[in-house]
Amino acid sequence: NAGVTQTPKFQVLKTGQSMTLQCAQDMNHEYMSWYRQDPGMGLRLIHYSVGAGITDQGEVPNGYNVSRSTTEDFPLRLLSAAPSQTSVYFCASTRGLAGGPTDTQYFGPGTRLTVL
Amino acid sequence: AQKITQTQPGMFVQEKEAVTLDCTYDTSDQSYGLFWYKQPSSGEMIFLIYQGSYDEQNATEGRYSLNFQKARKSANLVISASQLGDSAMYFCAIWGAGSYQLTFGKGTKLSVIP
Repeated sequence: NAGVTQTPKFQVLKTGQSMTLQCAQDMNHEYMSWYRQDPGMGLRLIHYSVGAGITDQGEVPNGYNVSRSTTEDFPLRLLSAAPSQTSVYFCASTRGLAGGPTDTQYFGPGTRLTVL
Repeated sequence: AQKITQTQPGMFVQEKEAVTLDCTYDTSDQSYGLFWYKQPSSGEMIFLIYQGSYDEQNATEGRYSLNFQKARKSANLVISASQLGDSAMYFCAIWGAGSYQLTFGKGTKLSVIP
């Protein structure tokens, strides 16, 4: 049971490049989400998914795309990277919506992204 | 909408002493959960403790307890017998039943002094 895994751990991009941050969980969790963490800002929700085929925007969705083709995977795509997207990105999952207020969110180890 | 306020950017505590980290919240949901996470310098987010809005008893997990005062909308974390390994950032977060998202505060940096 690996929990929530993220790849890569570190990435440097040039402005305008695209890339995909990978996230996978092996706990059969319905709900998955992406957060970004900037200094002094705490974690802010980018996108979330309540199940395969269903995604929605969070607080800071601009510049990011997501898809959820399987229960296990929830990749985050940067279509044209900008320096403002330099941040630490966390993927998280939790059991389900019905248990939302009672279920712990499990976080991946994070991806540190730098956009030059 | 939901919001978490952590008013202490940084705190110091002597080893073996207890410390309280403040958290106040705002939500329009009747059903919600409050969480505390620890983030050490290595960067991972570690779940510490959870309190449900309908829980009558304050949550406890080992040296961690949550002082939940619903009328005041506060959910303070109490760490007893601080250890050097407790030095980290601590985040309070809320999940509202109707929100589908976990909203975090800006965090408190705790430093434990030998």
